[in-house]
Amino acid sequence: AQSVSQHNHHVILSEAASLELGCNYSYGGTVNLFWYVQYPGQHLQLLLKYFSGDPLVKGIKGFEAEFIKSKFSFNLRKPSVQWSDTAEYFCAVYFTGGGNKLTFGTGTQLKVEL
Amino acid sequence: NAGVTQTPKFQVLKTGQSMTLQCAQDMNHEYMSWYRQDPGMGLRLIHYSVGAGITDQGEVPNGYNVSRSTTEDFPLRLLSAAPSQTSVYFCASSYSIGSGYEQYFGPGTRLTVT
Repeated sequence: AQSVSQHNHHVILSEAASLELGCNYSYGGTVNLFWYVQYPGQHLQLLLKYFSGDPLVKGIKGFEAEFIKSKFSFNLRKPSVQWSDTAEYFCAVYFTGGGNKLTFGTGTQLKVEL
Repeated sequence: NAGVTQTPKFQVLKTGQSMTLQCAQDMNHEYMSWYRQDPGMGLRLIHYSVGAGITDQGEVPNGYNVSRSTTEDFPLRLLSAAPSQTSVYFCASSYSIGSGYEQYFGPGTRLTVT
């Protein structure tokens, strides 16, 4: 069965530190890839997505992610985090041929300290 | 546009009670889905619908029913509540699933079953 893995469950960073959150999936076919963010007390919102084209995608608030097909990965990056980036981050994958559904990773809780 | 709305925001049920969580969207989206969010488990798909009159099971459908009589509404019914159904429930909608379409999430319903 297709699956999505986020290996970092909790990450604590100081402001201005660089961020990289890992996301891997198990599937050799065509995928659509997403990162969603959930700020404290709020609902999920889209950070960025990859559907086709340039594997380096840029999203809102200075986030970017790179799709590396050979590694089945879609890691999220930000060069310099801010306190306001404290949130839970979810990787999600649509697997072509895997049914009409999005599969989410277990999430990474990011805390940014001043 | 109100986007995706959910009611109620909070609910406490006793074991064995039934209830309906309401979800509505005003974006004319064909695809709608229900997720539950539990700590350390990410979002798990309960049921989804690809259009009015069409529903299907997700990853964790047991104990829940859905129907889709209109494009706008997608209620989730708990038939006989159990403590294991204590969770936060999110409804989401999108134009389609696949093809890189973003899912829009509602604010969530926090359900406690005692």
